[in-house]
Amino acid sequence: KQEVTQIPAALSVPEGENLVLNCSFTDSAIYNLQWFRQDPGKGLTSLLLIQSSQREQTSGRLNASLDKSSGRSTLYIAASQPGDSATYLCALIAQETSGSRLTFGEGTQLTVNP
Amino acid sequence: NAGVTQTPKFQVLKTGQSMTLQCAQDMNHEYMSWYRQDPGMGLRLIHYSVGAGITDQGEVPNGYNVSRSTTEDFPLRLLSAAPSQTSVYFCASSYSIFTEAFFGQGTRLTVV
Repeated sequence: KQEVTQIPAALSVPEGENLVLNCSFTDSAIYNLQWFRQDPGKGLTSLLLIQSSQREQTSGRLNASLDKSSGRSTLYIAASQPGDSATYLCALIAQETSGSRLTFGEGTQLTVNP
Repeated sequence: NAGVTQTPKFQVLKTGQSMTLQCAQDMNHEYMSWYRQDPGMGLRLIHYSVGAGITDQGEVPNGYNVSRSTTEDFPLRLLSAAPSQTSVYFCASSYSIFTEAFFGQGTRLTVV
């Protein structure tokens, strides 16, 4: 069974710092991996989607990479801002499952201090 | 373009009551899913659908029913609410397994 792990569970950094969030998974047979942001009491906002054939995707200050062979994805946030404070979730669709079934990590709670 | 819309946003039920959580999307997506989010458990799949008339169980289906009569709507029914169903429920949709998934804003349900 596919398992997704995000470490650390919580991270606190000063404003302006570049940071990396980690996501690891146990089975490399995936269709895609998606990073989400969740603000307290809110829904999930999609940040980036990486197809299994891709190595990375970029959107503004965000860059996500995917290394299927090692079962890892990273989300790089450049020049962090207090508005980046949120919980970041990674999720993937494994080839072993049917339908568009996302398997989620438990998230990394990020706090960016002014 | 409203995306994925869930109603209600908040609900309090008494044990044994039934209710339906509504989910609608206006993106012509074939795939729709229901997840619940609980502290320490992450998001877990309840039921999903790959198109109108086709549904299947996810990881935690007990106590819930779904149907998909149209592409746009995917309601989740709680048959007889239990305190263990206190959670935040999210509906999601996507065009295919290869494309981006979009989530609604969630329904916060409390069963007393």
